[in-house]
Amino acid sequence: EAGVAQSPRYKIIEKRQSVAFWCNPISGHATLYWYQQILGQGPKLLIQFQNNGVVDDSQLPKDRFSAERLKGVDSTLKIQPAKLEDSAVYLCASSLDGNEQFFGPGTRLTVL
Amino acid sequence: AQSVTQLGSHVSVSEGALVLLRCNYSSSVPPYLFWYVQYPNQGLQLLLKYTSAATLVKGINGFEAEFKKSETSFHLTKPSAHMSDAAEYFCAVSDQAGTALIFGKGTTLSVSS
Repeated sequence: EAGVAQSPRYKIIEKRQSVAFWCNPISGHATLYWYQQILGQGPKLLIQFQNNGVVDDSQLPKDRFSAERLKGVDSTLKIQPAKLEDSAVYLCASSLDGNEQFFGPGTRLTVL
Repeated sequence: AQSVTQLGSHVSVSEGALVLLRCNYSSSVPPYLFWYVQYPNQGLQLLLKYTSAATLVKGINGFEAEFKKSETSFHLTKPSAHMSDAAEYFCAVSDQAGTALIFGKGTTLSVSS
């Protein structure tokens, strides 16, 4: 069974630029999560989708971050414009029944 | 609000020694508790989970954890460390199945020969 796929794996941008990350969850998994992991900290939820609907986006900085999950499968997370403090690893996870979340390898973002 | 505290950001052990990684949680409802491991440049892998069944939970790679409600703890142990156990370990809590996980800050485990 293929795992959660994410791309790109690494991205370096200048502050105020835009960036987008892509996630392909495990086939059949209805729930998809985006987490932000800043160096030295544990992951923190940004947004949770159930199929193509948003369940929780209370910690998403909506002035600069946006996310969508078209057709309830793939998801894209966008940052526009990026700030220095957005440097982090962005992890995508998916779950079939809510009992276990499967994580992708992450996208490491560096904002200069 | 839920929270997780991992005591010790860095733990060093010798190969063959006992591994003990500490986790305390705060939750207003019976929690779901998890331990994840993260190797460099990889995503998180589930080691084990507690979901209100047996209080002693066995996971992969010889790890186990014991849920102690009176101490609000869920410490991770392994009787004998291997070099391959060197990684970052995260304790996490959620208040019900399917909700987002609240993670601790992580503990880096180093294993020396």
